[in-house]
Amino acid sequence: EDQVTQSPEALRLQEGESSSLNCSYTVSGLRGLFWYRQDPGKGPEFLFTLYSAGEEKEKERLKATLTKKESFLHITAPKPEDSATYLCAVQGDDYKLSFGAGTTVTVRA
Amino acid sequence: SAVISQKPSRDICQRGTSLTIQCQVDSQVTMMFWYRQQPGQSLTLIATANQGSEATYESGFVIDKFPISRPNLTFSTLTVSNMSPEDSSIYLCSVEDPGGGYGYTFGSGTRLTVV
Repeated sequence: EDQVTQSPEALRLQEGESSSLNCSYTVSGLRGLFWYRQDPGKGPEFLFTLYSAGEEKEKERLKATLTKKESFLHITAPKPEDSATYLCAVQGDDYKLSFGAGTTVTVRA
Repeated sequence: SAVISQKPSRDICQRGTSLTIQCQVDSQVTMMFWYRQQPGQSLTLIATANQGSEATYESGFVIDKFPISRPNLTFSTLTVSNMSPEDSSIYLCSVEDPGGGYGYTFGSGTRLTVV
C-alpha cells in the first residue's frame, strides 16, 4: 500500500522567513508526485507534478524537488498570501492518488 | 486545465436522509474521482467513476452507502445515503487534466454537516 507522510504538521513563519516542507513516500512504481495548495473551504489547487528523482520545478516563491524517497517544497521569502495547507500525493502503478495529511503554513506579516 | 463545477457547496442535513452531490466538468473526461476529506484529515478516495460502467469503490466504501452515477463524459453524481453524523466531511470530485501537465483538477468541494 502506498504511503505518504508529511512534516511538519504545522509551520508558522514570519514574512520573508524561508523554510521547507517534507513529503516522505513509499509507492509501488512511482508515476508522479504531486503538490497541491488548499485554502480553507476550497478544493486543492494544483501546483507541481514531479516524475523522477532529481527533477525540480519552480513557481513564484515555491520550488519542489524530488528524490527516490522524499520530496521537498521550499518556500522562499514567503508572504502572508502563501498561508495555506500544502498537500503531497503520489501516484503509483495502480494510477490512484494517495495523499499525505498536509502541512498547514501560516505566514505572519 | 479542466474547470469543475460542484454543487451544493455546503449543506446541513438530518440524520437518516440522503444528499446528492453534482459534479460538472467543462470538457469530456474518461474517469472522474470522488474523495472524502474528514475534518483535519487528508483526502481519501471513495470511488472511480467511468462512463458506461459501474463505479469502482475503494476498501471501506460500498455502493449502497455511496451510489454514483456517470451518465455522460462531463457529469457525475455522488449520493451519501442514510446519513449519520460520522458522514460529516468535505466531499470532492476530481478529474485528470485532459490536456496533461496539470495533474488532477479538483472541484471546490461540498461541506456536509449531518445533525
